[in-house]
Amino acid sequence: DIQMTQSPSTLPAFVGDRVTISCRASQTIRTYLAWYQQKPGKAPNLLIYKASTLETGVPSRFSGSGSGTEFALTISSLQPDDFAVYYCQQYYSSPWTFGQGTKVEI
Amino acid sequence: QVQLQESGPGLVKPSQTLSLSCTVSGGSISTGLYYWGWIRQHPEKGLEWLGYIFHSGSTYFNPAFESRLTISPDTSKNQFSLSLTSVTAADTAVYFCVRSLGDSGTGVFDIWGQGTMVTVSS
Repeated sequence: DIQMTQSPSTLPAFVGDRVTISCRASQTIRTYLAWYQQKPGKAPNLLIYKASTLETGVPSRFSGSGSGTEFALTISSLQPDDFAVYYCQQYYSSPWTFGQGTKVEI
Repeated sequence: QVQLQESGPGLVKPSQTLSLSCTVSGGSISTGLYYWGWIRQHPEKGLEWLGYIFHSGSTYFNPAFESRLTISPDTSKNQFSLSLTSVTAADTAVYFCVRSLGDSGTGVFDIWGQGTMVTVSS
């Protein structure tokens, strides 16, 4: 299975900050990477797929980058609604696997 | 707008079978565009993809669960179900039903149910 590793595990931040979450794959996944946001008690919500394609309805302050084994999710100006846990997920090779999550906290 | 809703018992005894259903509204599981499946989440192991089914009836499983897992469609009710046999405490988790995109987006989960907590305990 492809292992997905996120860093950091926790990211303290302020409203207005530019934040970046990293995700590393144990082998190349080209650009078959998705990002999800999860709030407490809710299901994950798809933000980005194909490494950098924004899902419909997702604010443009979210962006994704990377290819191969190194990826990043950037929030250009953190809003109060963005404090949540973020997961990366590869869909290059089954079984599809997720990172362990990064909690963005105040 | 497509919505998914899980249903089923919240408590299952060890060694028994965990059975859940997912009701799909706002869309049909019979269309040839999407996969319909299950993902679970528990604190120790994060998110795990279990498997999914295509409209043709073809199923695709995570090898870690393949020997214990069945996913079946019920097109008359626009539902699909999960059956996980021989459960242990390690199967205690929140179970989400999900929709996956197809084609080059296969494995991208764009719609999720709200999730249902299942505890395995005697």
